[in-house]
Amino acid sequence: GEDVEQSLFLSVREGDSSVINCTYTDSSSTYLYWYKQEPGAGLQLLTYIFSNMDMKQDQRLTVLLNKKDKHLSLRIADTQTGDSAIYFCADDMRFGAGTRLTVKP
Amino acid sequence: DGGITQSPKYLFRKEGQNVTLSCEQNLNHDAMYWYRQDPGQGLRLIYYSQIVNDFQKGDIAEGYSVSREKKESFPLTVTSAQKNPTAFYLCASSIEKTPRGAFFGQGTRLTVV
Repeated sequence: GEDVEQSLFLSVREGDSSVINCTYTDSSSTYLYWYKQEPGAGLQLLTYIFSNMDMKQDQRLTVLLNKKDKHLSLRIADTQTGDSAIYFCADDMRFGAGTRLTVKP
Repeated sequence: DGGITQSPKYLFRKEGQNVTLSCEQNLNHDAMYWYRQDPGQGLRLIYYSQIVNDFQKGDIAEGYSVSREKKESFPLTVTSAQKNPTAFYLCASSIEKTPRGAFFGQGTRLTVV
């Protein structure tokens, strides 16, 4: 089937920027999404980008899309301890393995 | 309040028994999905349904069954044929191909002993 891949772990210091990367194979998706999962809970939509866009900024979040390389990234500026969670990239139906972001004080 | 509800939150079953996980949504979404989450493997698609009375196999449908008799409900049965059923199961619903993405339930943690 179609795949969405991302690295499993990222650790940053509070106040630094975090960049989470993702690659996907299905180029037919209209939107690409980033979700956040707190421990023991479901996923919540964090942000999205339309497949014809290169960049989208939403407060501390910046999404970059390189359609040619099928590469998606999520940048979190001024990362806080409350940002510690698992972040999933997704196309219309499939999800990556999730990146566990740990923010150290 | 609109949302998607999974029940129960925790479920224990003996090996060899079938078990049904409930998923109900009042968001008027046409599409519903079941995912299985295992540590380090992210979410894997079990089944999805884009309309009432129709559903499709996902990537890991073996050992599972679903029904979609009502728009609001998409129950998942984990059968005794599923070799490793202990996992965290997530149900989601969506209006397809919109920026709103999918809405997720809080999940059911199934433990088979």
